[in-house]
Amino acid sequence: EAGVVQSPRYKIIEKKQPVAFWCNPISGHNTLYWYLQNLGQGPELLIRYENEEAVDDSQLPKDRFSAERLKGVDSTLKIQPAELGDSAVYLCASSLGRTSGEADTQYFGPGTRLTVL
Amino acid sequence: AQKVTQAQTEISVVEKEDVTLDCVYETRDTTYYLFWYKQPPSGELVFLIRRNSFDEQNEISGRYSWNFQKSTSSFNFTITASQVVDSAVYFCALSEEEKLTFGTGTRLTIIP
Repeated sequence: EAGVVQSPRYKIIEKKQPVAFWCNPISGHNTLYWYLQNLGQGPELLIRYENEEAVDDSQLPKDRFSAERLKGVDSTLKIQPAELGDSAVYLCASSLGRTSGEADTQYFGPGTRLTVL
Repeated sequence: AQKVTQAQTEISVVEKEDVTLDCVYETRDTTYYLFWYKQPPSGELVFLIRRNSFDEQNEISGRYSWNFQKSTSSFNFTITASQVVDSAVYFCALSEEEKLTFGTGTRLTIIP
């Protein structure tokens, strides 16, 4: 079974340029997450989708970040314009969707390493 | 607010030695879940284990074992007879009300 797919794996841009990351979750997974991972830190949640609906975007810097999951499958995370401090790894994860009151296990993709010059 | 502390930033051991990675958590909920993930140099976070707060039984999977103690709010991870392939960053995480909070990770280096 294919895991979470992300592209590109690496991206280098100049500050003030836009950038977009793409994620394809594991087939059948209804919940999709975008995380930000700074060097030497654990991942931090940016946004969580349940199907097409963004149910938790409280940590997403909405002035420059946006995300969409139009058909409840693939998702795109965009930054416009990028700043130097946005250099980090952007991870996508997916899970089946909460059942029986149990916490989901999240499965992660390889991430996109963004460098802003 | 929930919090996960991994006090060991880096650990190095010689191959075949046993090593324990510590994880201490804080939560006000009585129902929660704990996780361990491995992040090799390739960058992908690999799921290792999930444990709910009502199950304090220790778990063993091959060379890996986990010790969950609610009394000390700890969920420690032991690798027995370590191998070079175990070299990675290991993250402990706490799930509460559908939010996953990670620790800062422990970088484990196995020296051949």
